[in-house]
Amino acid sequence: DQQVKQNSPSLSVQEGRISILNCDYTNSMFDYFLWYKKYPAEGPTFLISISSIKDKNEDGRFTVFLNKSAKHLSLHIVPSQPGDSAVYFCAASESNNDMRFGAGTRLTVKP
Amino acid sequence: DGGITQSPKYLFRKEGQNVTLSCEQNLNHDAMYWYRQDPGQGLRLIYYSQIVNDFQKGDIAEGYSVSREKKESFPLTVTSAQKNPTAFYLCASSLLAAYNEQFFGPGTRLTVL
Repeated sequence: DQQVKQNSPSLSVQEGRISILNCDYTNSMFDYFLWYKKYPAEGPTFLISISSIKDKNEDGRFTVFLNKSAKHLSLHIVPSQPGDSAVYFCAASESNNDMRFGAGTRLTVKP
Repeated sequence: DGGITQSPKYLFRKEGQNVTLSCEQNLNHDAMYWYRQDPGQGLRLIYYSQIVNDFQKGDIAEGYSVSREKKESFPLTVTSAQKNPTAFYLCASSLLAAYNEQFFGPGTRLTVL
């Protein structure tokens, strides 16, 4: 039973444009959401997070939006750079109990 | 440097052999985790531990075993009972307090021949 879903396995955008990665979840008890970035043959690295009391969190070029009623979150990268090309995982947890991960979206930013 | 290390990076074993993957952290984190990643799938939780000498099964614990004798170390043994052991294994650690991210090691790719 997949509680966190990333329905787009891949996304390709042009350098300088906006990248929007989407994530849906089914468990209404999730109250902490994170995005991780992963390069091949490496461990994921934490990118940005948001708690359920907020609907937006921004860190430089990265912004995460949370829509609790729709059980949906998204990661916006503006402007996109070739170095952003990686697999992005969405994750969710209940008050830091075990974390559930989506299947990932492979982002390719073309120069 | 503070961080989390996994060794080896690549591991080959014959079918039927047990193999132990190492995970060490010097971040003073209480909680440690083992995940498995397969192509096209997210990270699936195998085992986790929130305190020394205690650990809990994750979603796919069958065929695996762990120990947590020291706060810094959380080795994972892939036993011969694990039907599809070839995968990329990731170890992570975190603080126990709420709303903390997990820090991941570089991973070990296990190939069973």
